[in-house]
Amino acid sequence: EVQLLESGGGLVQPGGSLRLSCAASGFTFSTYSMAWVRQAPGKGLEWVSVISGGGDITQYADSVKGRFTISRDNSKNSLYLQMNSLRGEDTALYFCAKAFVVNAIRRYGMDVWGQGTTVTVSS
Amino acid sequence: QSALTQPPSASGSPGQSVTISCTGTSSDVGGYNYVSWYQQHPGKAPKLMIYEVSKRPSGVPDRFSGSKSGNTASLTVSGLQAEDEADYYCCSYSGSNNLGLFGGGTKLTVL
Repeated sequence: EVQLLESGGGLVQPGGSLRLSCAASGFTFSTYSMAWVRQAPGKGLEWVSVISGGGDITQYADSVKGRFTISRDNSKNSLYLQMNSLRGEDTALYFCAKAFVVNAIRRYGMDVWGQGTTVTVSS
Repeated sequence: QSALTQPPSASGSPGQSVTISCTGTSSDVGGYNYVSWYQQHPGKAPKLMIYEVSKRPSGVPDRFSGSKSGNTASLTVSGLQAEDEADYYCCSYSGSNNLGLFGGGTKLTVL
């Protein structure tokens, strides 16, 4: 069964840091682009970042550029999101998601999603 | 860049059809045939329902269909069922945004 399991969320003060992880199973992880998508409480979906299967190409939403870093370890079937200089507006449920078509996540969308991990930025 | 525009709500009775619109620009919806739709039930992860404007992933009922005209994409749910009550989000590839754009979401109520 194809599965994604996020972890690492929690309560952090403004200006603080968190590292989210996403453990993948049931598919050839290194073949697929992956993404982080977030959803603020009561709000819609928002792209955060995407990374290619090999990890050599990354892209970020303007709202997180320079503060967040996406990475992956294909030997561990794991995706990461390092979040620094956190702000109140980063409070959200963070989903990791798998590309529906290998290395074409922005065109064809995401067919497997985790259940999300909650990040709360507050003093 | 602004999100794609969706109506905040839509509704229909069981067995009826309902259509949800998603309006963008020539730089996203109108410029590419890469529109996808997601269904999200409360407290659950999104589910891919439509990709490439009108294609359904395996397992998605054929009651769900997608189309596009100009800068507006549409999702039609035919033969409404109670379990179709959910939030629906469109998403489009964009030539001017490096990640693409989501719509604001539409809450579908089955009366």
